[in-house]
Amino acid sequence: NAGVTQTPKFQVLKTGQSMTLQCAQDMNHEYMSWYRQDPGMGLRLIHYSVGAGITDQGEVPNGYNVSRSTTEDFPLRLLSAAPSQTSVYFCASSYKTSGANVLTFGAGSRLTVL
Amino acid sequence: GQNIDQPTEMTATEGAIVQINCTYQTSGFNGLFWYQQHAGEAPTFLSYNVLDGLEEKGRFSSFLSRSKGYSYLLLKELQMKDSASYLCAVTDSNYQLIWGAGTKLIIKP
Repeated sequence: NAGVTQTPKFQVLKTGQSMTLQCAQDMNHEYMSWYRQDPGMGLRLIHYSVGAGITDQGEVPNGYNVSRSTTEDFPLRLLSAAPSQTSVYFCASSYKTSGANVLTFGAGSRLTVL
Repeated sequence: GQNIDQPTEMTATEGAIVQINCTYQTSGFNGLFWYQQHAGEAPTFLSYNVLDGLEEKGRFSSFLSRSKGYSYLLLKELQMKDSASYLCAVTDSNYQLIWGAGTKLIIKP
């Protein structure tokens, strides 16, 4: 059982480049989300989805796009990378959106924007 | 605004007991989570509290007081592998998770 799979694990971009972080889960989870983690700060929600075809913005959505065409996949697109987007990104999923919503995280993607 | 406070770093000795505190101010409350995160790895779930009181799971226990906006994670019989960051997170009235910055726990032999 793979759980949540994120790729790539590491990426270096130049300012202005675009890229997509991939996330896939095989647990039939309804809820999927993207977080960024920066030193000295809590995890911050970028975008989330409560089911296929449904996405919504989190706390820090600017500069990022998402789509949810299938239950399994939830890619995160950086439209025009900026140094402020240097961070560690985590994809996370859970079975439901309320109550004891225990998240399963992917291994993380470390992004550096020069 | 919404806020979760936890100490930045704590040090403890192998075999001892340590208590990591978390205080929160959020718009509504629908549960509190503790996650463990080893350096360079993903967070993993430790505990969930929604009612006041103590939840025990082996060497780890988590306590919640909703009236005080306070929780703690208690780790007993510390082992070197417990060296990690411990993240406190609260589910608000919209069922969104608000995360603390984490407490880095250093275990010394």
